[in-house]
Amino acid sequence: AQSVTQLDSQVPVFEEAPVELRCNYSSSVSVYLFWYVQYPNQGLQLLLKYLSGSTLVKGINGFEAEFNKSQTSFHLRKPSVHISDTAEYFCAVTDLDTGRRALTFGSGTRLQVQP
Amino acid sequence: EAGVTQSPTHLIKTRGQQATLRCSPISGHTSVYWYQQALGLGLQFLLWYDEGEERNRGNFPPRFSGRQFPNYSSELNVNALELEDSALYLCASSFGQGEIGYTFGSGTRLTVV
Repeated sequence: AQSVTQLDSQVPVFEEAPVELRCNYSSSVSVYLFWYVQYPNQGLQLLLKYLSGSTLVKGINGFEAEFNKSQTSFHLRKPSVHISDTAEYFCAVTDLDTGRRALTFGSGTRLQVQP
Repeated sequence: EAGVTQSPTHLIKTRGQQATLRCSPISGHTSVYWYQQALGLGLQFLLWYDEGEERNRGNFPPRFSGRQFPNYSSELNVNALELEDSALYLCASSFGQGEIGYTFGSGTRLTVV
């Protein structure tokens, strides 16, 4: 079974400051990792995904994430945030070995960017 | 290119009634997934359909059911509604079993009173 832990439920940060949203996962097989963003009253938008290859993954809106297999982490970073980045961010994991294709999501981190 | 579209946007039902939610995937996508986002419970996987067949099911009672039509659109039915079924129901689609990662729609907000 897989699980995802997002270590911070809320992260307040000032505009133009850097931010890191933390995500740890557990799984007994090879995993694929995702970050999604949810703006108020909207669905989920894919920010980036790690499938294989380079452990540093670049996504949309200036976000990037680093896959660390030894620490079972997939933290999301942005060097300089904007007010418009205020949203809920979800880390998710899946594996294809069992053909299940269901994403397991973390509980979410609310990023609050203050002026 | 149109994204994943869901209807209705909002739905209010009385306890014990049935709700039907609809989803149209991105053109060319053959897999459809349903998730429930309930307050305090987070995002939980409900169902996965591919090529008209149910491929996987989450830990939900049988009164949650659905189907996928020949045009790959999908319907989620929730029978005998309970108050705790109130949630945002999200649909997602992908290019079938070979693609990893989904595109989500904006969801249907179901309120059970």
